[in-house]
Amino acid sequence: DVKVTQSSRYLVKRTGEKVFLECVQDMDHENMFWYRQDPGLGLRLIYFSYDVKMKEKGDIPEGYSVSREKKERFSLILESASTNQTSMYLCASSSGGAGELFFGEGSRLTVL
Amino acid sequence: QKEVEQNSGPLSVPEGAIASLNCTYSDRGSQSFFWYRQYSGKSPELIMFIYSNGDKEDGRFTAQLNKASQYVSLLIRDSQPSDSATYLCAVNTHNQGGKLIFGQGTELSVKP
Repeated sequence: DVKVTQSSRYLVKRTGEKVFLECVQDMDHENMFWYRQDPGLGLRLIYFSYDVKMKEKGDIPEGYSVSREKKERFSLILESASTNQTSMYLCASSSGGAGELFFGEGSRLTVL
Repeated sequence: QKEVEQNSGPLSVPEGAIASLNCTYSDRGSQSFFWYRQYSGKSPELIMFIYSNGDKEDGRFTAQLNKASQYVSLLIRDSQPSDSATYLCAVNTHNQGGKLIFGQGTELSVKP
């Protein structure tokens, strides 16, 4: 059974804190993605990666960075969390060019 | 104009009726199209994809694609209360490893 695991389902952080969101997939997928989901705005792509140590900006990369040191792991980093980064964060992976994304369960981040 | 647009709903249909969900996209170079279902509090899951003009059927679900008019739709026949969810339309504009652009989703409510 395919699986994308996000390390934390719920996090509460304070403004200015550094936040790490971890994502691991067990499907040997080349591609991994970080989206955020907000009411009325849908899913928006933050960063994605087609290979180890490669990363590309999505539509809303400001305030975020990513790390992909191993094929199965893709981390999203908020260097200094702000209240407008309160959101649901979804990690996903896919293989090749098919486009079918497999999503993790999501990490709901609240920044106070 | 948003790249992928959906009516946010909510769309309410009685049990047993046909639910029709619509999506338009702006990039004529778009090549593959996806419908995801997202239950409240859960992550999206793929239900249909379509690449060619015309209809594609899978059980009670039919995806329809019209590239000339730049729209894709999802029909759900014999709607059930368990179909109540948000349906996300997603478009792959670059055909590169699943970099999908999502619409904001249409909330469907099926009334018993």
